[in-house]
Amino acid sequence: EPEVTQTPSHQVTQMGQEVILRCVPISNHLYFYWYRQILGQKVEFLVSFYNNEISEKSEIFDDQFSVERPDGSNFTLKIRSTKLEDSAMYFCASSRGTATEAFFGQGTRLTVV
Amino acid sequence: GQQVMQIPQYQHVQEGEDFTTYCNSSTTLSNIQWYKQRPGGHPVFLIQLVKSGEVKKQKRLTFQFGEAKKNSSLHITATQTTDVGTYFCAGLPMKTSYDKVIFGPGTSLSVIP
Repeated sequence: EPEVTQTPSHQVTQMGQEVILRCVPISNHLYFYWYRQILGQKVEFLVSFYNNEISEKSEIFDDQFSVERPDGSNFTLKIRSTKLEDSAMYFCASSRGTATEAFFGQGTRLTVV
Repeated sequence: GQQVMQIPQYQHVQEGEDFTTYCNSSTTLSNIQWYKQRPGGHPVFLIQLVKSGEVKKQKRLTFQFGEAKKNSSLHITATQTTDVGTYFCAGLPMKTSYDKVIFGPGTSLSVIP
């Protein structure tokens, strides 16, 4: 069964450093998403991406964040200068169309120290 | 802003008892999705409801979408230990971008064998 894959599974970084979280969405999906889940809390929408551009973003997704689809398969989330409060599980998801089932990856646990 | 709330936050049940979680939106929804997240896992899509008053069943799980399309419920009959996890509803508000699904805070279910 096709799945969304994320790497790395765990990333530890120093405050102020840049991190890139990587995702390979399901191949025939057209919509890509990043979500964040702080430990024990709800899943929060960060950004959606379609047709090589951001289609929607939340208040959390400020200038420190950027997304990119550098080739036909990868979808990345970059945090330019990490803060302690960026520590969370980051989930990538993809879907075939709008308002359809989203498939989530296993997540990347980001720890900022 | 638009909010999706869920109650209860936590529920502990004896195996075999029933369980219900309720989801309420501050605005009318185009559709609502339900996801299950096992401890340490990622959200997994369960179902999507679109029509006002819609009821769908998956084995022991029954999902309802309210007539006003502002609330939803998930009912599990005769819980089993495999039902343990956090159940999230995720609503797509009407008159917004199709990409910005709002997750509720989740109901964490524990099942005592």
